[in-house]
Amino acid sequence: NAGVTQTPKFQVLKTGQSMTLQCAQDMNHEYMSWYRQDPGMGLRLIHYSVGAGITDQGEVPNGYNVSRSTTEDFPLRLLSAAPSQTSVYFCASSRGGNQPQHFGDGTRLSIL
Amino acid sequence: AQKVTQAQTEISVVEKEDVTLDCVYETRDTTYYLFWYKQPPSGELVFLIRRNSFDEQNEISGRYSWNFQKSTSSFNFTITASQVVDSAVYFCALSNTNAGKSTFGDGTTLTVKP
Repeated sequence: NAGVTQTPKFQVLKTGQSMTLQCAQDMNHEYMSWYRQDPGMGLRLIHYSVGAGITDQGEVPNGYNVSRSTTEDFPLRLLSAAPSQTSVYFCASSRGGNQPQHFGDGTRLSIL
Repeated sequence: AQKVTQAQTEISVVEKEDVTLDCVYETRDTTYYLFWYKQPPSGELVFLIRRNSFDEQNEISGRYSWNFQKSTSSFNFTITASQVVDSAVYFCALSNTNAGKSTFGDGTTLTVKP
């Protein structure tokens, strides 16, 4: 099983550019989340979804959009990249809110 | 609002020492779940254990053990006879079952020296 697949693994953007981080899972999990990890700050929740068609904001949603048209996919869009969005981004999925999360390998994003 | 505090930013021990990683949480929910995850230097996040708010039994798995105390809102993690391969960042997390949101602590970086 592939589990949670994130693409790309690395990306460099210029300020103001937009891009989409892809996340796909093959475990038929209803719950999916996006986190960013900055040095010394742990994982902060950006957006999450409890099922197809349902999304909600997490702790740090500004500058990011999500959609969940299928159970499998949960893309994260950066609308206009800023240097403050330089981070490592993790996508995760789980069978429910009380279940452990399965994480992708992360996307390391640098914004110049 | 939920909050998870891992007061120990970094811990360094010598191999074979025992080490305890602290986790204190805050929530207004009566039903919640606590988790520990490990992030080795390679960067992936690996699930270690889950505990629900109604089960205060301590758990032991090999060299790992967990102590959950609702009275002090703590869910501490002990590694017995630490090994170099235990070197990693360890995260404690709290989940609200209804909303599906998880809150992570800032992590504790454990370095085990040979």
